[in-house]
Amino acid sequence: LAKTTQPISMDSYEGQEVNITCSHNNIATNDYITWYQQFPSQGPRFIIQGYKTKVTNEVASLFIPADRKSSTLSLPRVSLSDTAVYYCLVGLHGGATNKLIFGTGTLLAVQP
Amino acid sequence: DTGVSQDPRHKITKRGQNVTFRCDPISEHNRLYWYRQTLGQGPEFLTYFQNEAQLEKSRLLSDRFSAERPKGSFSTLEIQRTEQGDSAMYLCASSLQNTGELFFGEGSRLTVL
Repeated sequence: LAKTTQPISMDSYEGQEVNITCSHNNIATNDYITWYQQFPSQGPRFIIQGYKTKVTNEVASLFIPADRKSSTLSLPRVSLSDTAVYYCLVGLHGGATNKLIFGTGTLLAVQP
Repeated sequence: DTGVSQDPRHKITKRGQNVTFRCDPISEHNRLYWYRQTLGQGPEFLTYFQNEAQLEKSRLLSDRFSAERPKGSFSTLEIQRTEQGDSAMYLCASSLQNTGELFFGEGSRLTVL
């Protein structure tokens, strides 16, 4: 399974756009890229998933370059409630082995 | 509430005792996952089921751990002869087969004294 590398922590201020980049150099052809958000004492929550180019939903955007060896989660105009750990995962989408491996994630701290 | 539910939310036990956690997934989801998470770490994969079949089991899961999903609905995770190193949050998640979107429960926090 492809390993992911992301910054341990990031700081931001309310109203700013935050971009968290994840490296996954050995991503396989069939792998999708998925991002989760986790608040303390809660289970992770799905944010967004993509395979290539750009995906956007009501919460975030996901940018994936052509070589797919990295991806960037973009959070527009963050608020204090966006303070959380963000995980980048790479795995087979709906295949026979569909386990997703979490790394240590990126702790995003949003300040007023 | 139609999300994933886990019970109990907190469990304190003495070393050597057995504990069992229950997970009720979202009803139409055929895949169910167990993860373990310790402080400051991401969730670690333990095992997953497709319907009632246990398809994969992590090498992290020692012989003291067993999981079942007898009717393809709820699942139980049992830890026998608990050790202090078993103290963690045990997370359950469910999903539809052809999607990477996992829905997690609130977790069951285990403290082994």
